[in-house]
Amino acid sequence: NAGVTQTPKFRVLKTGQSMTLLCAQDMNHEYMYWYRQDPGMGLRLIHYSVGEGTTAKGEVPDGYNVSRLKKQNFLLGLESAAPSQTSVYFCASSSSGGALRGYTFGSGTRLTVV
Amino acid sequence: GQQLNQSPQSMFIQEGEDVSMNCTSSSIFNTWLWYKQDPGEGPVLLIALYKAGELTSNGRLTAQFGITRKDSFLNISASIPSDVGIYFCAGLNYGGSQGNLIFGKGTKLSVKP
Repeated sequence: NAGVTQTPKFRVLKTGQSMTLLCAQDMNHEYMYWYRQDPGMGLRLIHYSVGEGTTAKGEVPDGYNVSRLKKQNFLLGLESAAPSQTSVYFCASSSSGGALRGYTFGSGTRLTVV
Repeated sequence: GQQLNQSPQSMFIQEGEDVSMNCTSSSIFNTWLWYKQDPGEGPVLLIALYKAGELTSNGRLTAQFGITRKDSFLNISASIPSDVGIYFCAGLNYGGSQGNLIFGKGTKLSVKP
């Protein structure tokens, strides 16, 4: 039972490069989320999705785009990476009913932009 | 927007000590959750609280949903080395932003040198 799987686990990008982070969940969850974690800042919501084909902005959406073409996958894209996007990115999912029973998190992607 | 104030920001523990941390808000929440994050991993749900005044245990961990619905507490009894990590509180207000969880900034538990 894999839960939430994030790929890749580590990545180094040059400023201006683009990349896509993939999140996959096998729990048939409706809701999926992308967070970034920076020292002293806790978890900040970037974008989220309440179902296949839907996306919405979170607290810090600028510089990121997302897509949810399939229920089990949620992609986070950086079109032109900036050093300020150096962070650890976490994907999470939850069943319908939103956050009532908490989120299941992936193990994170550590991204460094140089 | 809604914010959760989590304290302390960090603390050092010695094996066998009891640990307390809390989370407060100016807003009312209907659900409180406590997560633990081990180094290099994602947060894992420890305890969920759904009713004001509720007290719930998970092994050596006990959490309480404050009676005012604006705070929550987590206690760890007889701490052991594997308790180190970052503990996050999270709250849900059904009337809030699309029902998404609001996270505190975390309490980092380390071992006393």
